[in-house]
Amino acid sequence: GAGVSQTPSNKVTEKGKYVELRCDPISGHTALYWYRQSLGQGPEFLIYFQGTGAADDSGLPNDRFFAVRPEGSVSTLKIQRTERGDSAVYLCASSLGANSPLHFGNGTRLTVT
Amino acid sequence: SQQGEEDPQALSIQEGENATMNCSYKTSINNLQWYRQNSGRGLVHLILIRSNEREKHSGRLRVTLDTSKKSSSLLITASRAADTASYFCATPHGSGNTGKLIFGQGTTLQVKP
Repeated sequence: GAGVSQTPSNKVTEKGKYVELRCDPISGHTALYWYRQSLGQGPEFLIYFQGTGAADDSGLPNDRFFAVRPEGSVSTLKIQRTERGDSAVYLCASSLGANSPLHFGNGTRLTVT
Repeated sequence: SQQGEEDPQALSIQEGENATMNCSYKTSINNLQWYRQNSGRGLVHLILIRSNEREKHSGRLRVTLDTSKKSSSLLITASRAADTASYFCATPHGSGNTGKLIFGQGTTLQVKP
């Protein structure tokens, strides 16, 4: 079946603007994760959803970052007042449950100018 | 912060040779995972080894885990040009929810045809 889908694949925005990044997980996967990957680094955990609720948002860097998953499927990562330091690849992953391997999307490359 | 440290950071070999990548971590774990990432793509899960396992095989991949040394290795035998990618080890953070992972910085492998 289809894998994890992330849109847009690339997003360029100006400093101070608001952006939304979308993730469409594999059908039936209850767990959904957001990670952020800077150039030359491994991914860093941002937030984890089990169903509709954010089970762990301890990785969100500050209150400019927020994510939702209202119907337990598609998730949106929202970044307010973007800063140049937010530039990175934002990866979404889903899994069948908390103890299953992650399936990653191809990411959204965010560039803040 | 990143728990895993990988060695070497970069590796270049000829097709047909074996490639060995090492990963060290800091805290006690109940499992360790290896992922592959092709340039511009998401991560792909390769293998998960549990803390009570010492070695695990999957096709041309062999993973070892030494919990006393807090280290793991990934061996790719008879490498192919298609194995060119970055390889990351990852360990669960905190409670053992294997989806909240801490990734190393990765090893970039180049296999020359």
